[in-house]
Amino acid sequence: GESVGLHLPTLSVQEGDNSIINCAYSNSASDYFIWYKQESGKGPQFIIDIRSNMDKRQGQRVTVLLNKTVKHLSLQIAATQPGDSAVYFCAEKHLGNEKLTFGTGTRLTIIP
Amino acid sequence: NAGVTQTPKFQVLKTGQSMTLQCAQDMNHEYMSWYRQDPGMGLRLIHYSVGAGITDQGEVPNGYNVSRSTTEDFPLRLLSAAPSQTSVYFCATSAGTDTQYFGPGTRLTVL
Repeated sequence: GESVGLHLPTLSVQEGDNSIINCAYSNSASDYFIWYKQESGKGPQFIIDIRSNMDKRQGQRVTVLLNKTVKHLSLQIAATQPGDSAVYFCAEKHLGNEKLTFGTGTRLTIIP
Repeated sequence: NAGVTQTPKFQVLKTGQSMTLQCAQDMNHEYMSWYRQDPGMGLRLIHYSVGAGITDQGEVPNGYNVSRSTTEDFPLRLLSAAPSQTSVYFCATSAGTDTQYFGPGTRLTVL
């Protein structure tokens, strides 16, 4: 069946370093992927998305990479800051279908 | 523009009690959905609606009812609360494009 999973449940990164959060998916029909950030006590916040016809997309300090061959998605955060501490979820869906399937999340902790 | 609002923020119920979690949006989005989030897990879809008068079940619909009489509101009803429904509930909306916007959540405890 389809599933979205994360390689690591926790990640600790030194402030100022780059962070890489990984996500694996199993449904080859998935054509749209999203990264959400969830801070403690808040709802998930959209970070960046990517469609399956792209390999890379950049935002402000964030880059998402998609490798369809191995069904792998990653979120790179440049020069991490204390405010980046949160749980990060990847999610996938099919275009035209609003249902999101979420991974279990990775907790990113920034070490001062 | 308040976005997506949810009330209450916190709620404690006894087993067997009923209650309604409210979700409202002022973005004129057609699509609305309810998720639950349990410790150490991602969000699981309970029910969703693609427009007023239309609702459908998600991954974990048992024990929950929804209705969508207006575009703005999408309440989630627990008819007879059970401890297994202790969770954090999130409402989300989207305009039919891909991005879903989430509310701040309702933390529910069922004793």
